Amino acid sequence: SAVISQKPSRDICQRGTSLTIQCQVDSQVTMMFWYRQQPGQSLTLIATANQGSEATYESGFVIDKFPISRPNLTFSTLTVSNMSPEDSSIYLCSVGQPVSGELFFGEGSRLTVL
Amino acid sequence: GDSVTQMEGPVTLSEEAFLTINCTYTATGYPSLFWYVQYPGEGLQLLLKATKADDKGSNKGFEATYRKETTSFHLEKGSVQVSDSAVYFCALRGGRGGADGLTFGKGTHLIIQP
Repeated sequence: SAVISQKPSRDICQRGTSLTIQCQVDSQVTMMFWYRQQPGQSLTLIATANQGSEATYESGFVIDKFPISRPNLTFSTLTVSNMSPEDSSIYLCSVGQPVSGELFFGEGSRLTVL
Repeated sequence: GDSVTQMEGPVTLSEEAFLTINCTYTATGYPSLFWYVQYPGEGLQLLLKATKADDKGSNKGFEATYRKETTSFHLEKGSVQVSDSAVYFCALRGGRGGADGLTFGKGTHLIIQP
């Protein structure tokens, strides 16, 4: 298993601002993903964070809105840009176990946009 | 694309009742299947998994069997407890190997009454 730490754990933000969420893993991992969980909803994959190259975004998510960095195999950031109330969600970092396919999740970052 | 369908909630049961939460999937190749649980106020945790047809995953009294012929992975428990109250997510990892994040169902909110 992997221990995943996310910061901030929660924040209240103003409309139009941007916030960067950090994800730190206690071991080197190849696969790292960012998910969004809107209130009362399931998890939706935003993107796969690739080390040393651009992230791979899922349909409906774009780099300008959700820029992602992955400078090494233990760290990634997700920025939520130009926020609106519709961006109020829990954002989760997860890492993959290549053999079993299992994902481990961080505690999540709960963002509220006013 | 890949998809997961699980029964809508909330599901309300009395303590010691038998539980079934239905989950069916659509995927290409040979996906791995998972049940995750989210207890109130906590992060997402893996409950059990199965990586190939006819595998049975089990944990904490919960079981699910990977049925390729019916593309199903129903979650069962013989006698539920109040502490099992949580949201349960069925998920799959696509058959492309380790490259994919998980696709989640919408989640089933389980409420166990004493």
